[in-house]
Amino acid sequence: GEQVEQLPSILRVQERSSASINCTYENSASNYFPWYKQEPGENPKLIIDIRSNMERKQIQGLIVLLDKKAKRFSLHITDTQPADSAMYFCAAGIASSSFSKLVFGQGTSLSVVP
Amino acid sequence: ETAVFQTPNYHVTQVGNEVSFNCKQTLGHDTMYWYKQDSKKLLKIMFSYNNKQLIVNETVPRRFSPQSSDKAHLNLRIKSVEPEDSAVYLCASSPPGGGNTLYFGEGSRLIVV
Repeated sequence: GEQVEQLPSILRVQERSSASINCTYENSASNYFPWYKQEPGENPKLIIDIRSNMERKQIQGLIVLLDKKAKRFSLHITDTQPADSAMYFCAAGIASSSFSKLVFGQGTSLSVVP
Repeated sequence: ETAVFQTPNYHVTQVGNEVSFNCKQTLGHDTMYWYKQDSKKLLKIMFSYNNKQLIVNETVPRRFSPQSSDKAHLNLRIKSVEPEDSAVYLCASSPPGGGNTLYFGEGSRLIVV
């Protein structure tokens, strides 16, 4: 199987609190896990990614965790701001030398309210 | 800064008509993709091309066909559109090497009436 399950589908948090999005994947050969942010009317853009040789990665207020045993990975946004409101997509794939075959999760609509 | 260009951005057409979406990338990438994003925002890969070779062809209906003249261009043709084809079609490209970032275009919204 190649499905990627993403939860929650809708997330509403207070400004300056944390937001967490969780994903699970089926294909144990997956070795690349990017996260994309899509603002209304815009295209998805990569915000952070993690490869299977890592368990944790942080870029400023974004933290991604990877648990290969459980086939689970997550995005944590610390100190959320209204500008973080958007759709977020996780993806899992097998990175080869030629191309990336990514399977995307169903997306999470994040709203950060003042 | 946009580097994956899609045209048209918006197209309304009737059932049974033919539609083409064009995509060009100026990033010098070797691989290009077409994704479909439906009304629920689900992103599904349709095709990918690497150096003009089709390397991923998901189980999309036969009325869809990718067309590429060189590695910087990947067009999508829909021979006879159906209502369920209404969606946003996103073109993307990625650089060579493993685990690569997808750079998406702005999308082409198709509405079939």
